Amino acid sequence: EAGVAQSPRYKIIEKRQSVAFWCNPISGHATLYWYQQILGQGPKLLIQFQNNGVVDDSQLPKDRFSAERLKGVDSTLKIQPAKLEDSAVYLCASSLEALGYEQYFGPGTRLTVT
Amino acid sequence: DAKTTQPPSMDCAEGRAANLPCNHSTISGNEYVYWYRQIHSQGPQYIIHGLKNNETNEMASLIITEDRKSSTLILPHATLRDTAVYYCIAYNFNKFYFGSGTKLNVKP
Repeated sequence: EAGVAQSPRYKIIEKRQSVAFWCNPISGHATLYWYQQILGQGPKLLIQFQNNGVVDDSQLPKDRFSAERLKGVDSTLKIQPAKLEDSAVYLCASSLEALGYEQYFGPGTRLTVT
Repeated sequence: DAKTTQPPSMDCAEGRAANLPCNHSTISGNEYVYWYRQIHSQGPQYIIHGLKNNETNEMASLIITEDRKSSTLILPHATLRDTAVYYCIAYNFNKFYFGSGTKLNVKP
């Protein structure tokens, strides 16, 4: 089966610019996650969707980050405006359901903010 | 969610068993122990999980102490491809907290 797809793989922007990341989960997976991974740290959950509804966005900096999952399939994560501290790898993952099912991760998008 | 503690790095000789410890002394009765690993420049990959009993799959074995305050992930015959960061997570169906993990270096 095809894995979780993400694009772009790399992005370099200047601070205060906007950027968007795209994720296509594994077919049939109801739950989708976005994580932020800063260099040298473990991934941190930003937002979790169950179908097209938000389950948890408690760690999403809502003043600059937004995410949507239209039709319960693909998802986009946007940062506007970007700050230097947003430089990180943004990982998308999906699972069959929530509640402890195995999460499958995409390759990530490496964002550099200059 | 219970916090987990892992050593920052470990070395292992190729072909030998790699035993990765994890301390989760504050784990509650309904929290599972999950292990993921992250090979350089890739997303994390699920390895195994358990609640009370020891578990084994094609990748690894998970040994959980009787008091559930610690566990050990065992890779029976480590290869160079097992070089990665290994994360131990205590999960109660809320959210995953990935700590900093253990960097396992498998050496020839």
